[in-house]
Amino acid sequence: VQVLESGGGLVQPGESLRLSCSASGFTFSSHAMSWVRQAPGKGLEWVSAISTTGATTYYTDSVKGRFTISRDNSKNTLYLQMNSLRAEDTALYYCANDIRDGNNYGWFDPWGQGTLVTVSS
Amino acid sequence: DIQMTQSPSSVSASVGDRVTITCRASQSITSRLAWYQQKPGKAPKLLIYDASNLQSGVPSRFSGSGSGTDFTLTISSLQPEDFATYYCQQAKSFPLTFGGGTKVEIK
Repeated sequence: VQVLESGGGLVQPGESLRLSCSASGFTFSSHAMSWVRQAPGKGLEWVSAISTTGATTYYTDSVKGRFTISRDNSKNTLYLQMNSLRAEDTALYYCANDIRDGNNYGWFDPWGQGTLVTVSS
Repeated sequence: DIQMTQSPSSVSASVGDRVTITCRASQSITSRLAWYQQKPGKAPKLLIYDASNLQSGVPSRFSGSGSGTDFTLTISSLQPEDFATYYCQQAKSFPLTFGGGTKVEIK
């Protein structure tokens, strides 16, 4: 079971970025997925989750209206479209798979290595 | 939102010590709690889910207990590879929330 994030980088405030997470070793379409971030030197913060089919999504308040989570089950890939980026969005973004089949949210394992997003002028 | 409070924020311990970390939820989360271990520069690793279930491959010296609002993670005999930061996380309701972390340091 493996997930691999990509797409991070340095952007200016107000700009956009799309993160990707490529999954392998499990039936991607059967698992809900999440994004969790960690600001430099700080703790973990759950950002967003998506159901197995993509029909249902959840967001933390600070990213609602700016971030969009989606998935392509035919490509075993999870996405996070991030618009109107702010300095406080600077973090290592992890893709995380719930260990259970179905629309279950919360028991994350494994995690990817993360992709770093830096928002700075 | 459900707030998760961990204590202590850091603990110094020796190899072989028993270490207990506490996590308190701001409202009942029944048993919907996970514990993660994170080593510097590495991704978190799931240790315990549903408050007391050991994730596959995790050593049996790790155990979790509690329900409702009060939970504990216990390391029965601390090993050199256990020095890390530990986080609790509730999965009762969205937004999913994490505790602030407990750093276990070498004494």
